[in-house]
Amino acid sequence: AQSVTQLDSQVPVFEEAPVELRCNYSSSVSVYLFWYVQYPNQGLQLLLKYLSGSTLVKGINGFEAEFNKSQTSFHLRKPSVHISDTAEYFCAVTRSGGSYIPTFGRGTSLIVHP
Amino acid sequence: EPEVTQTPSHQVTQMGQEVILRCVPISNHLYFYWYRQILGQKVEFLVSFYNNEISEKSEIFDDQFSVERPDGSNFTLKIRSTKLEDSAMYFCASSELGQGAADTQYFGPGTRLTVL
Repeated sequence: AQSVTQLDSQVPVFEEAPVELRCNYSSSVSVYLFWYVQYPNQGLQLLLKYLSGSTLVKGINGFEAEFNKSQTSFHLRKPSVHISDTAEYFCAVTRSGGSYIPTFGRGTSLIVHP
Repeated sequence: EPEVTQTPSHQVTQMGQEVILRCVPISNHLYFYWYRQILGQKVEFLVSFYNNEISEKSEIFDDQFSVERPDGSNFTLKIRSTKLEDSAMYFCASSELGQGAADTQYFGPGTRLTVL
């Protein structure tokens, strides 16, 4: 079984400041890792994913995440946030082979203040 | 840009009634999924569907649930005899390539189901 922990339920930050949203996972097998964003009244949108290769993954809207196998983490970062980044962010993990069934974290609400 | 659409946006039903949630996946996609998100909780996978068959399903997806692709465009989730705890946002998603976990899935805006 696998699990995902998003350590912060809410992260307030001022516009143009950097932000890090934390995600830790546990799994006994190799995994793929994902970050999704959910804007109000919308579905989830994929920000980025780690499948293999370089541990630094760049995504849309200026976000990036780093896979750290030893710390079982996949933290999401952005060097300078905008008001429009205000949304719910979900980390998810799936097995890299065999069963697809994903496990999501509880989400982190990013609130960007002017 | 193509997108996944879902209808209705909000469905209210009485406990014990059957509901059908509808989704129109992106037209060239072959893999379809349903998820649910109970208010304030995490997103949960329900089922994946390919070639008119269920590919995988979670423990949540019991006999109360069924999925169907009744025509070339719609993908439906039927919930029989709804319970209060079925109240949630239900998301449909689709993907093109069928690379399993590596696929990029495109999500619809969701249907909020309220069971009274």
